[in-house]
Formats: sequence, C-alpha cells, structure tokens
Amino acid sequence: DAGVTQSPTHLIKTRGQHVTLRCSPISGHKSVSWYQQVLGQGPQFIFQYYEKEERGRGNFPDRFSARQFPNYSSELNVNALLLGDSALYLCASSFTSGRMNEQFFGPGTRLTVL
Amino acid sequence: KQEVTQIPAALSVPEGENLVLNCSFTDSAIYNLQWFRQDPGKGLTSLLLIQSSQREQTSGRLNASLDKSSGRSTLYIAASQPGDSATYLCAGDSNTGNQFYFGTGTSLTVIP
Repeated sequence: DAGVTQSPTHLIKTRGQHVTLRCSPISGHKSVSWYQQVLGQGPQFIFQYYEKEERGRGNFPDRFSARQFPNYSSELNVNALLLGDSALYLCASSFTSGRMNEQFFGPGTRLTVL
Repeated sequence: KQEVTQIPAALSVPEGENLVLNCSFTDSAIYNLQWFRQDPGKGLTSLLLIQSSQREQTSGRLNASLDKSSGRSTLYIAASQPGDSATYLCAGDSNTGNQFYFGTGTSLTVIP
C-alpha cells in the first residue's frame, strides 16, 4: 500500500507569492494534519482536518489556510510568502481525529522563499 | 499546551553500544506518545506509539517506555548500528488529541 504522498517535493518561490502544497493520505485514513519544520527544529502543528472539517489550528497567521477534499486529500495554501516561511512542510495522516491516533508522515515538501 | 523536551540534543556512540534517548513532557494528560526517526531532509518514520494505557512498546532492537507520573519517555536502542544514525523525535498529543507537540530531537551518530 502507498504511504502518505506529497507534492511537489521541492519548491522555490519569491517573497509575496503564494504557494499550494498537496497531500494524499494513506488509503482509508480520513484525517490529515499539516506541520512546518524549520531547519534544526521539531515540526510545528499548523492544521488538522477530518472529514473535510478543520479540527485544529496551530499558532500560525491567517496567511496559512488549508482544505480537505471528499477523497480526503488535502491542500495547504500560504499567501504573501515571507522569507521565514522557508521550511519543510510535512503532512501526516491518521485513521481518525482525536486520541488513539498513530500518525504517519509523508516525505515533505521543501519550500524555499527567496 | 504540551511542551516536549529532548536531551541530549546530539549523541555520538561507537557501534554496538546500547543507548537511551530521553523525552520529557509537561502535561501528564498526554494520551499518545510517539517516537519518530528522521533522516536528513526527509520525512518522519514512525518507530513506536505508546498509548496511555500502555507503559512500553517494543519493536526489534527498540524499546520505548512511558511514565506519565514523571512526565518522561525513553527510547532504548540495543546494539546500535551505523544505520541507526538519524535524528530521533518524540511527540506527545494535546488533551484534545488533535495535534502532536514535538521535541527538537536528538541527533544520533553511530560510529563504525
């Protein structure tokens, strides 16, 4: 079975642009979470979606938004990019939201903002 | 808010040595604690998940324990190998369970 997939693998943007990152969860998983990992740090939670509804939001500005589609895939959108948005963006899928949830991560999208 | 700390930040050991990685958390209402491995520039690979009702989990040469009362988890790696070299991250969930809080990781180097 395929694991969590993310696209693109790498992306270079300039300040002020917007970006869309995509994630497909493991088959049968209905929850997708997004994390930002800055070099040398642990991942920071951005969003969780379950059954197309937002179930959690981390401490990120409104420039960050996300949505989940009927097939449970998800997009993360970032507007008005800043240099500080350069990071590895990780998507994790789990069977449901809430507790008793093992999370499985994709390979990430490396975003560089110039 | 759950705060997770990992010590040491970096560790270098000779091949064959047994080692322990430490993870501490502030909220004892933690339900899940998960250990991950991350290779440079890559995503996270799940190693072990310990749920609240469990005290430890084992997979091969790995053993993870959870002590909620002391706010600690440890990852024990037996007979370390150069292929174990990676960053090891622990993560604990929130009281709503909808997000994991990560530590900053321990960078492990196993010297042949």
